[in-house]
Amino acid sequence: GAGVSQSPRYKVAKRGQDVALRCDPISGHVSLFWYQQALGQGPEFLTYFQNEAQLDKSGLPSDRFFAERPEGSVSTLKIQRTQQEDSAVYLCASSAPARPHTDTQYFGPGTRLTVL
Amino acid sequence: TQLLEQSPQFLSIQEGENLTVYCNSSSVFSSLQWYRQEPGEGPVLLVTVVTGGEVKKLKRLTFQFGDARKDSSLHITAAQPGDTGLYLCAFRRNTGKLIFGQGTTLQVKP
Repeated sequence: GAGVSQSPRYKVAKRGQDVALRCDPISGHVSLFWYQQALGQGPEFLTYFQNEAQLDKSGLPSDRFFAERPEGSVSTLKIQRTQQEDSAVYLCASSAPARPHTDTQYFGPGTRLTVL
Repeated sequence: TQLLEQSPQFLSIQEGENLTVYCNSSSVFSSLQWYRQEPGEGPVLLVTVVTGGEVKKLKRLTFQFGDARKDSSLHITAAQPGDTGLYLCAFRRNTGKLIFGQGTTLQVKP
């Protein structure tokens, strides 16, 4: 079956532009996570959804970052007024129904965002 | 300050050599995970260690959890170019979110 997919794979934005990054989780996976990964570093947690509910957004670095999952499947991470420090790979992961503290997280390939 | 400190940060070796990477912390964990991430891909879970002193083997990879459950190591025997990648240790909070170390970048030259 299909894994987690993300689009676009690459995005170049001019500073100040808004961007939207999409994540399609594995079908039936209730939990969805977003992470930010700087070059050569480990991923850092941004936010977590269980179905359509955003249960943890403690990792979002500023109010320019916004995530949604309105129907409990596809999720979008939006970054407003992008800054150069937003340049990173944005990873999405999903895990099986209702057991986020035990189930394996399956990661997508990421979206590489470059802000000029 | 990193909760999980990985060392070395970068390792370049020849095919056939052995290597060990480390994941250390001052905190005690109920479990630790190891992931491998290849360029252009997301991390893939290799193993979860749960019991202090536990040793798990995955082909040429040997994972160990420290007796005090504060550290872990990954040993690769006879490294191959296909082992090249970023190796990450992580622990999972009760909410499910993963906290990663900064990773060890391994390059295996043919």
